[in-house]
Amino acid sequence: DTGVSQDPRHKITKRGQNVTFRCDPISEHNRLYWYRQTLGQGPEFLTYFQNEAQLEKSRLLSDRFSAERPKGSFSTLEIQRTEQGDSAMYLCASSRSGRSYNEQFFGPGTRLTVL
Amino acid sequence: ILNVEQSPQSLHVQEGDSTNFTCSFPSSNFYALHWYRWETAKSPEALFVMTLNGDEKKKGRISATLNTKEGYSYLYIKGSQPEDSATYLCAFMDTGNQFYFGTGTSLTVIP
Repeated sequence: DTGVSQDPRHKITKRGQNVTFRCDPISEHNRLYWYRQTLGQGPEFLTYFQNEAQLEKSRLLSDRFSAERPKGSFSTLEIQRTEQGDSAMYLCASSRSGRSYNEQFFGPGTRLTVL
Repeated sequence: ILNVEQSPQSLHVQEGDSTNFTCSFPSSNFYALHWYRWETAKSPEALFVMTLNGDEKKKGRISATLNTKEGYSYLYIKGSQPEDSATYLCAFMDTGNQFYFGTGTSLTVIP
Protein backbone atom coordinates (compact mmCIF):
# COMPACT_ATOMS: atom_id res chain seq x y z
CA ASP A 1 0.00 0.00 0.00
CA THR A 2 1.54 3.32 -1.01
CA GLY A 3 -0.82 5.62 0.88
CA VAL A 4 -0.17 7.65 4.03
CA SER A 5 0.02 5.46 7.13
CA GLN A 6 -0.27 6.39 10.78
CA ASP A 7 0.59 4.47 13.89
CA PRO A 8 -1.00 3.72 16.27
CA ARG A 9 -4.60 3.94 15.09
CA HIS A 10 -5.88 4.26 18.65
CA LYS A 11 -4.19 5.34 21.85
CA ILE A 12 -5.68 5.48 25.32
CA THR A 13 -3.56 7.13 27.97
CA LYS A 14 -3.86 8.60 31.42
CA ARG A 15 -3.66 12.32 32.03
CA GLY A 16 -0.07 13.45 32.52
CA GLN A 17 1.50 10.74 30.37
CA ASN A 18 3.49 11.44 27.21
CA VAL A 19 2.40 10.00 23.87
CA THR A 20 4.06 9.85 20.46
CA PHE A 21 2.42 9.24 17.09
CA ARG A 22 4.08 8.38 13.81
CA CYS A 23 3.17 9.30 10.25
CA ASP A 24 4.68 7.76 7.12
CA PRO A 25 3.84 9.90 4.07
CA ILE A 26 3.68 8.83 0.46
CA SER A 27 7.32 8.27 -0.44
CA GLU A 28 7.76 10.94 -3.13
CA HIS A 29 5.91 13.62 -1.12
CA ASN A 30 8.13 16.28 0.41
CA ARG A 31 5.40 18.10 2.35
CA LEU A 32 3.82 16.72 5.50
CA TYR A 33 1.01 18.17 7.60
CA TRP A 34 -0.49 17.42 10.99
CA TYR A 35 -4.12 18.24 11.80
CA ARG A 36 -6.29 17.73 14.87
CA GLN A 37 -10.00 17.04 14.81
CA THR A 38 -12.06 17.32 17.97
CA LEU A 39 -15.66 16.18 18.34
CA GLY A 40 -18.03 18.20 16.20
CA GLN A 41 -15.27 20.16 14.49
CA GLY A 42 -13.45 19.90 11.20
CA PRO A 43 -9.74 19.11 11.08
CA GLU A 44 -7.61 22.05 12.30
CA PHE A 45 -4.10 22.70 11.06
CA LEU A 46 -1.31 22.09 13.58
CA THR A 47 1.98 22.15 11.71
CA TYR A 48 3.64 21.67 8.34
CA PHE A 49 7.02 20.37 7.13
CA GLN A 50 8.73 20.77 3.82
CA ASN A 51 11.37 18.06 3.75
CA GLU A 52 12.87 18.12 7.26
CA ALA A 53 12.15 21.80 7.92
CA GLN A 54 9.15 22.71 10.07
CA LEU A 55 7.89 25.77 8.21
CA GLU A 56 4.71 26.63 10.03
CA LYS A 57 3.11 26.01 13.41
CA SER A 58 -0.40 26.89 14.48
CA ARG A 59 -1.09 28.74 17.71
CA LEU A 60 -3.05 25.59 18.63
CA LEU A 61 0.29 23.83 19.04
CA SER A 62 1.10 24.52 22.68
CA ASP A 63 4.60 24.01 24.08
CA ARG A 64 3.54 20.51 25.20
CA PHE A 65 3.39 19.51 21.53
CA SER A 66 6.44 18.87 19.40
CA ALA A 67 6.74 17.51 15.90
CA GLU A 68 9.78 16.30 14.04
CA ARG A 69 10.66 15.02 10.62
CA PRO A 70 14.33 14.25 11.05
CA LYS A 71 15.21 12.81 7.64
CA GLY A 72 12.46 14.38 5.62
CA SER A 73 10.54 11.11 5.46
CA PHE A 74 8.39 9.95 8.41
CA SER A 75 7.27 12.37 11.10
CA THR A 76 6.48 12.06 14.79
CA LEU A 77 4.12 14.14 16.89
CA GLU A 78 4.73 14.04 20.64
CA ILE A 79 2.39 15.34 23.30
CA GLN A 80 3.88 15.74 26.76
CA ARG A 81 1.88 15.77 29.98
CA THR A 82 -1.37 14.95 28.18
CA GLU A 83 -4.58 16.65 29.26
CA GLN A 84 -8.17 15.54 28.71
CA GLY A 85 -8.58 18.34 26.19
CA ASP A 86 -5.97 16.66 23.99
CA SER A 87 -8.45 13.86 23.24
CA ALA A 88 -8.98 14.07 19.49
CA MET A 89 -8.27 12.48 16.13
CA TYR A 90 -4.77 13.39 14.90
CA LEU A 91 -4.54 13.33 11.12
CA CYS A 92 -1.45 13.40 8.96
CA ALA A 93 -1.41 14.37 5.29
CA SER A 94 1.27 14.62 2.65
CA SER A 95 1.65 16.38 -0.68
CA ARG A 96 4.26 17.14 -3.30
CA SER A 97 5.38 20.71 -3.82
CA GLY A 98 4.80 21.96 -7.32
CA ARG A 99 1.70 19.84 -7.68
CA SER A 100 -1.22 22.06 -8.56
CA TYR A 101 -3.46 23.19 -5.76
CA ASN A 102 -1.47 21.35 -3.10
CA GLU A 103 -3.61 18.21 -3.22
CA GLN A 104 -3.16 16.57 0.16
CA PHE A 105 -3.45 12.83 0.79
CA PHE A 106 -4.54 11.83 4.26
CA GLY A 107 -3.76 8.95 6.56
CA PRO A 108 -6.48 7.20 8.59
CA GLY A 109 -5.64 9.15 11.75
CA THR A 110 -4.68 8.31 15.33
CA ARG A 111 -7.53 8.58 17.82
CA LEU A 112 -6.24 9.70 21.21
CA THR A 113 -8.29 9.30 24.38
CA VAL A 114 -6.93 10.86 27.54
CA LEU A 115 -8.58 9.52 30.71
CA ILE B 1 -9.70 32.28 12.39
CA LEU B 2 -11.32 31.76 9.02
CA ASN B 3 -14.89 30.40 8.99
CA VAL B 4 -15.86 27.55 6.68
CA GLU B 5 -19.38 26.28 7.27
CA GLN B 6 -21.11 23.17 6.02
CA SER B 7 -24.79 22.39 6.10
CA PRO B 8 -26.60 20.37 7.02
CA GLN B 9 -24.54 18.81 9.81
CA SER B 10 -26.13 15.42 9.17
CA LEU B 11 -28.52 13.91 6.71
CA HIS B 12 -30.43 10.63 6.44
CA VAL B 13 -31.80 9.72 3.03
CA GLN B 14 -33.40 6.66 1.49
CA GLU B 15 -31.49 4.64 -1.08
CA GLY B 16 -32.19 6.09 -4.51
CA ASP B 17 -32.82 9.65 -3.29
CA SER B 18 -30.73 12.49 -4.61
CA THR B 19 -29.23 14.89 -2.12
CA ASN B 20 -27.03 17.95 -1.85
CA PHE B 21 -24.97 19.78 0.75
CA THR B 22 -23.46 23.23 1.02
CA CYS B 23 -20.03 24.56 1.88
CA SER B 24 -19.75 28.30 2.60
CA PHE B 25 -16.41 30.07 2.73
CA PRO B 26 -14.93 33.58 2.58
CA SER B 27 -14.86 35.10 -0.89
CA SER B 28 -11.51 36.82 -0.29
CA ASN B 29 -8.04 35.22 -0.62
CA PHE B 30 -9.60 32.25 -2.41
CA TYR B 31 -7.23 29.83 -4.12
CA ALA B 32 -9.06 26.50 -4.25
CA LEU B 33 -11.88 24.52 -2.69
CA HIS B 34 -11.32 20.84 -1.93
CA TRP B 35 -14.00 18.21 -1.27
CA TYR B 36 -13.17 15.02 0.63
CA ARG B 37 -15.19 11.95 1.50
CA TRP B 38 -14.36 10.34 4.84
CA GLU B 39 -15.69 6.89 5.63
CA THR B 40 -15.47 5.62 9.18
CA ALA B 41 -12.10 4.00 10.02
CA LYS B 42 -10.63 5.02 6.65
CA SER B 43 -8.56 7.92 5.34
CA PRO B 44 -10.30 11.00 3.94
CA GLU B 45 -10.42 10.55 0.17
CA ALA B 46 -10.10 13.48 -2.22
CA LEU B 47 -13.17 13.96 -4.44
CA PHE B 48 -12.66 17.28 -6.21
CA VAL B 49 -10.39 20.31 -6.35
CA MET B 50 -12.27 23.34 -7.61
CA THR B 51 -10.58 26.55 -8.56
CA LEU B 52 -12.55 28.71 -11.00
CA ASN B 53 -15.80 30.53 -10.41
CA GLY B 54 -18.55 28.56 -12.15
CA ASP B 55 -16.54 25.32 -12.09
CA GLU B 56 -18.58 22.15 -12.26
CA LYS B 57 -16.96 18.78 -11.67
CA LYS B 58 -18.41 15.29 -11.85
CA LYS B 59 -17.27 11.84 -10.74
CA GLY B 60 -19.87 9.15 -11.36
CA ARG B 61 -23.02 10.05 -9.42
CA ILE B 62 -21.30 12.84 -7.48
CA SER B 63 -20.93 16.36 -8.80
CA ALA B 64 -19.96 19.74 -7.39
CA THR B 65 -20.32 23.39 -8.32
CA LEU B 66 -18.39 26.46 -7.22
CA ASN B 67 -19.31 30.12 -6.77
CA THR B 68 -16.28 32.06 -5.57
CA LYS B 69 -17.96 35.47 -5.77
CA GLU B 70 -20.61 34.58 -3.21
CA GLY B 71 -18.46 32.02 -1.40
CA TYR B 72 -20.23 28.70 -1.69
CA SER B 73 -19.93 25.25 -3.22
CA TYR B 74 -22.60 22.59 -3.58
CA LEU B 75 -21.99 18.85 -3.61
CA TYR B 76 -24.70 16.72 -5.25
CA ILE B 77 -25.20 12.98 -5.05
CA LYS B 78 -27.65 11.49 -7.53
CA GLY B 79 -29.42 8.23 -6.65
CA SER B 80 -27.71 7.76 -3.25
CA GLN B 81 -26.46 4.27 -2.43
CA PRO B 82 -25.59 2.83 1.01
CA GLU B 83 -21.89 2.93 0.07
CA ASP B 84 -22.19 6.74 -0.19
CA SER B 85 -22.64 6.87 3.58
CA ALA B 86 -19.71 8.93 4.88
CA THR B 87 -18.78 12.37 6.15
CA TYR B 88 -18.23 14.88 3.35
CA LEU B 89 -15.68 17.56 4.20
CA CYS B 90 -14.88 20.72 2.30
CA ALA B 91 -11.60 22.60 2.73
CA PHE B 92 -11.00 26.21 1.71
CA MET B 93 -7.47 26.78 0.51
CA ASP B 94 -6.25 30.37 0.71
CA THR B 95 -3.59 32.11 -1.33
CA GLY B 96 -1.04 31.19 1.33
CA ASN B 97 -1.69 27.46 0.71
CA GLN B 98 -3.35 27.10 4.11
CA PHE B 99 -6.30 24.66 4.42
CA TYR B 100 -9.39 25.51 6.49
CA PHE B 101 -11.85 22.66 6.90
CA GLY B 102 -15.58 22.79 7.46
CA THR B 103 -17.18 20.64 10.15
CA GLY B 104 -18.48 18.15 7.59
CA THR B 105 -21.84 16.77 6.57
CA SER B 106 -22.52 13.25 7.80
CA LEU B 107 -24.59 11.33 5.24
CA THR B 108 -26.40 8.09 6.05
CA VAL B 109 -28.12 6.28 3.18
CA ILE B 110 -30.79 3.89 4.40
CA PRO B 111 -31.24 0.77 2.27
